[in-house]
Amino acid sequence: GDSVTQMEGPVTLSEEAFLTINCTYTATGYPSLFWYVQYPGEGLQLLLKATKADDKGSNKGFEATYRKETTSFHLEKGSVQVSDSAVYFCALSDQTGANNLFFGTGTRLTVIP
Amino acid sequence: EAGVAQSPRYKIIEKRQSVAFWCNPISGHATLYWYQQILGQGPKLLIQFQNNGVVDDSQLPKDRFSAERLKGVDSTLKIQPAKLEDSAVYLCASSLDRGVYNEQFFGPGTRLTVL
Repeated sequence: GDSVTQMEGPVTLSEEAFLTINCTYTATGYPSLFWYVQYPGEGLQLLLKATKADDKGSNKGFEATYRKETTSFHLEKGSVQVSDSAVYFCALSDQTGANNLFFGTGTRLTVIP
Repeated sequence: EAGVAQSPRYKIIEKRQSVAFWCNPISGHATLYWYQQILGQGPKLLIQFQNNGVVDDSQLPKDRFSAERLKGVDSTLKIQPAKLEDSAVYLCASSLDRGVYNEQFFGPGTRLTVL
């Protein structure tokens, strides 16, 4: 079945460091891919998405490129801030029309000043 | 625009008791989802409604879990009787309609502890 494998955390970085959180997926067909973020005390929020191969999703300085050949959707940011401290979830949605999301286990990021 | 509302935010019960969670989606959203998020794991879909009909409940443990969305607006998820392994955060989400181009908006969740 469809699944997402996500880099285990926690990840601790200094402010202005480069961030990469790895995500690979297994799916039949051509899923859409997402990154969700959960800030402390808040609900899940969509960070970015890509709906087809080679698409790049971007938001708030974060980027991820849909790589069909490596079945990956790694999240990157060039310079993290303390306010980026959160849990990040990679997810996929199959193309059946039901819009069901399959999530990874989440990666906790802590950015220290 | 008001977001997805859930209540209660926290609930502690003993095993074999029953519990109910309530969700009010964003106004006008036809599709409503319930997810279970066990500590250290990603959310897992339990059930999806389109208006007042069930689209997918294949992952819902129907021997103890039930959910309804009678008027196609707010929804209730019930567990009866609860087990220790039901301890989790229960998330409600809604989207304007089905399909991958309709973003899911999540509520803050209800944290359930079963003792």
